[in-house]
Amino acid sequence: DAGVIQSPRHEVTEMGQEVTLRCKPISGHNSLFWYRQTMMRGLELLIYFNNNVPIDDSGMPEDRFSAKMPNASFSTLKIQPSEPRDSAVYFCASSRDRAASYEQYFGPGTRLTVT
Amino acid sequence: DQQVKQNSPSLSVQEGRISILNCDYTNSMFDYFLWYKKYPAEGPTFLISISSIKDKNEDGRFTVFLNKSAKHLSLHIVPSQPGDSAVYFCAASAYGGSEKLVFGKGTKLTVNP
Repeated sequence: DAGVIQSPRHEVTEMGQEVTLRCKPISGHNSLFWYRQTMMRGLELLIYFNNNVPIDDSGMPEDRFSAKMPNASFSTLKIQPSEPRDSAVYFCASSRDRAASYEQYFGPGTRLTVT
Repeated sequence: DQQVKQNSPSLSVQEGRISILNCDYTNSMFDYFLWYKKYPAEGPTFLISISSIKDKNEDGRFTVFLNKSAKHLSLHIVPSQPGDSAVYFCAASAYGGSEKLVFGKGTKLTVNP
């Protein structure tokens, strides 16, 4: 298995620009999660999907953040406009089921730097 | 408000000794707990879990202990190996693990040869 694939691995952008992060989950997994890791807040869940439907987006910090999952093999997390405080590592994870008792498989992450 | 707290940002131990990583939680509805391990430039990987119906779960060198009355869990690694050097995240879920995971900030473990 290829595992969860994220692109790009690194993104450097200027404040105000639009940023799009991409994720391809493991085939056969029906739940997908977007996390953000920062020194201050650790690893926090932004949003998760089950069968391509957003279930809980309460972790999305602001309206500047949006996520989509148009099909079972692709998801995007978009930040528009980006701000320096958005700098973090963003992880995508997938699992067979949304329940925590099912192992979540994480991608390698996208390190975002907003200057 | 951190519902899952890992109060030690870092821990350093000698190879062969025991590593003990601690985690506290505040939400009494949490009843399913996990530990994830993360190497630099990689995503976290699942290590071990425990349900609140148990107070101990063991998998090889790794054992997780749960003290529900104290809302505390710990991960023991015996014996510690240099390859165990990583960031360890504690995570919790409610309702038998059916709810989303809430992670702590992580503890960086360094095992010195």
